[in-house]
Amino acid sequence: EVQLVESGGGLVKPGGSLRLSCAASGFTFSSYSMNWVRQAPGKGLEWVSSISSSSSYIYYADSVKGRFTISRDNAKNSLYLQMNSLRAEDTAVYYCARDEQWLATFDYWGQGTLVTVSS
Amino acid sequence: QSALTQPPSASGSPGQSVTISCTGTSSDVGGYNYVSWYQQHPGKAPKLMIYEVSKRPSGVPDRFSGSKSGNTASLTVSGLQAEDEADYYCSSYAGSKGVVFGGGTKLTVL
Repeated sequence: EVQLVESGGGLVKPGGSLRLSCAASGFTFSSYSMNWVRQAPGKGLEWVSSISSSSSYIYYADSVKGRFTISRDNAKNSLYLQMNSLRAEDTAVYYCARDEQWLATFDYWGQGTLVTVSS
Repeated sequence: QSALTQPPSASGSPGQSVTISCTGTSSDVGGYNYVSWYQQHPGKAPKLMIYEVSKRPSGVPDRFSGSKSGNTASLTVSGLQAEDEADYYCSSYAGSKGVVFGGGTKLTVL
């Protein structure tokens, strides 16, 4: 059974940093590209970043470019999102999602982790 | 990246059909056959319902179907059931811009 479990969310002050993790199991992690998608409270889904299976290709949404860094460790079956210079508008539930087709089909999602940016 | 345009709400009675539209541009919806639809119940993670415009993942009822014409994709739910009440989001591959989502449509089963 495919499982994606996010962790690392919490309350952080504006300008602060946070590192999210996503532990994957039930599939060959190193064969799939992975993504972060966020959802602000009461709002819609927003794609954040994608990383290919071997980390050769990395894309970011304009809203996070230069502040967030996506990475993965295939040996540990884990996906990460380093978030720096956090702003109030980054407050959201952050989901990791497996990519069945590069940047096109997010077939499995984690339960999400809440990041709150507030003073 | 601009969000794809979806109606904020849609509704139908049990047994009826409802169609939700998703309008983009030639740089996303119109340019690629990589439109997906996701269902999200309150407090839950999104679930893939349709991918590559009209394909259904295993386990998704055939009451759900997708199509595309030009820059507009559509999700049709036939034979509406109470459990179909949820938020629905479309997404599209957008080339070097990555992925773009729609703003979401709240489907109400009357």
